Amino acid sequence: DTGVSQNPRHKITKRGQNVTFRCDPISEHNRLYWYRQTLGQGPEFLTYFQNEAQLEKSRLLSDRFSAERPKGSFSTLEIQRTEQGDSAMYLCASSTTSGGVQETQYFGPGTRLLVL
Amino acid sequence: AQKVTQAQTEISVVEKEDVTLDCVYETRDTTYYLFWYKQPPSGELVFLIRRNSFDEQNEISGRYSWNFQKSTSSFNFTITASQVVDSAVYFCALSESGFQKLVFGTGTRLLVSP
Repeated sequence: DTGVSQNPRHKITKRGQNVTFRCDPISEHNRLYWYRQTLGQGPEFLTYFQNEAQLEKSRLLSDRFSAERPKGSFSTLEIQRTEQGDSAMYLCASSTTSGGVQETQYFGPGTRLLVL
Repeated sequence: AQKVTQAQTEISVVEKEDVTLDCVYETRDTTYYLFWYKQPPSGELVFLIRRNSFDEQNEISGRYSWNFQKSTSSFNFTITASQVVDSAVYFCALSESGFQKLVFGTGTRLLVSP
């Protein structure tokens, strides 16, 4: 059973450029989450999907950020017109659902973004 | 509002010492879930334990043990006979019933020296 995978693992870009990250969840997991982690901090929630539906977005997710999960499998997170403040580790996690129970979220290795 | 506090920023111990990482949480819900994750230098968050608010039994898994006390809103993590491989940042997290996001503390960096 493979875990959550993320690509690329590292991304360096210049301010103003667009970047896109991909997350492949654990195969039977129908929920997928995106978090952002800056240096010395815990991960902060950005958004999550159940199947292809985006059910919640944090106010951290500005208009420059968009996430999709078109077929309920992999997800992409795009940042347009990157700013230096976007430099962070972007983490993806997935979980199953079991009624109203919060199932465990399993995390991928993350994509580390550096905006110059 | 949900909040998790990990007051210990960094702890240094010598191998074989026992160490306890503190976690204090705030929530208005009566149903919630608590988690501990380990983040080694590679960066990937590794799940350690999940506990719901109705289960206050302490848990032991090998050298790891967890003490959940609702009266003090704490969910502390103890590593017995620490090893160098335990060196990592440890995060405590909270999720309220009906909400799917995890709210993390700021983490405790554990350094275990030989």
